[in-house]
Amino acid sequence: QQPVQSPQAVILREGEDAVINCSSSKALYSVHWYRQKHGEAPVFLMILLKGGEQKGHEKISASFNEKKQQSSLYLTASQLSYSGTYFCGTTGGGNKLTFGTGTQLKVEL
Amino acid sequence: DSGVTQTPKHLITATGQRVTLRCSPRSGDLSVYWYQQSLDQGLQFLIQYYNGEERAKGNILERFSAQQFPDLHSELNLSSLELGDSALYFCASSVGPAQPQHFGDGTRLSIL
Repeated sequence: QQPVQSPQAVILREGEDAVINCSSSKALYSVHWYRQKHGEAPVFLMILLKGGEQKGHEKISASFNEKKQQSSLYLTASQLSYSGTYFCGTTGGGNKLTFGTGTQLKVEL
Repeated sequence: DSGVTQTPKHLITATGQRVTLRCSPRSGDLSVYWYQQSLDQGLQFLIQYYNGEERAKGNILERFSAQQFPDLHSELNLSSLELGDSALYFCASSVGPAQPQHFGDGTRLSIL
């Protein structure tokens, strides 16, 4: 089943913070976060694994609550370049990565 | 540049036709994934290969098939094309399962 992301869209002023949430109805093994700008390929941001391991960019932070099957992506001191659609993807232990419907983020001056 | 190469960049064809999309993964990556992204839609997982073997299957239509060759490049074959198959098709690669996936620039398929 497709994970649910919230909010669907958010508009920030440069320098503001945002949190994007991802929730699944089934047990998760890993959560992946990607950002996609219009007309471009998704770009890897972070992966969080069951057990606490994380891999990702230094300026990106995220959390993974295994019991609640939820993950949150934290964007701090937003920049214009943060604009795009953020997708979370989840796996339940197999190889299939199921993406959420995305959160559109727009950062304005 | 992700290191994943997809060809062609654009493909325009008619209903009922057959096309082949090609993907070369990043050097060293053994896993290849195919995704479909329709207009303003999310990424729909189609299929995954690891070192030549099919490892996972998503909502891939029977008219679609894929394979990964010994040199690790992969091809996605779409046949009996319908208008609804118009979409952006992405290939991604990773070292292995549960590892970061790196996406190619995609092939935009337009069915007329």
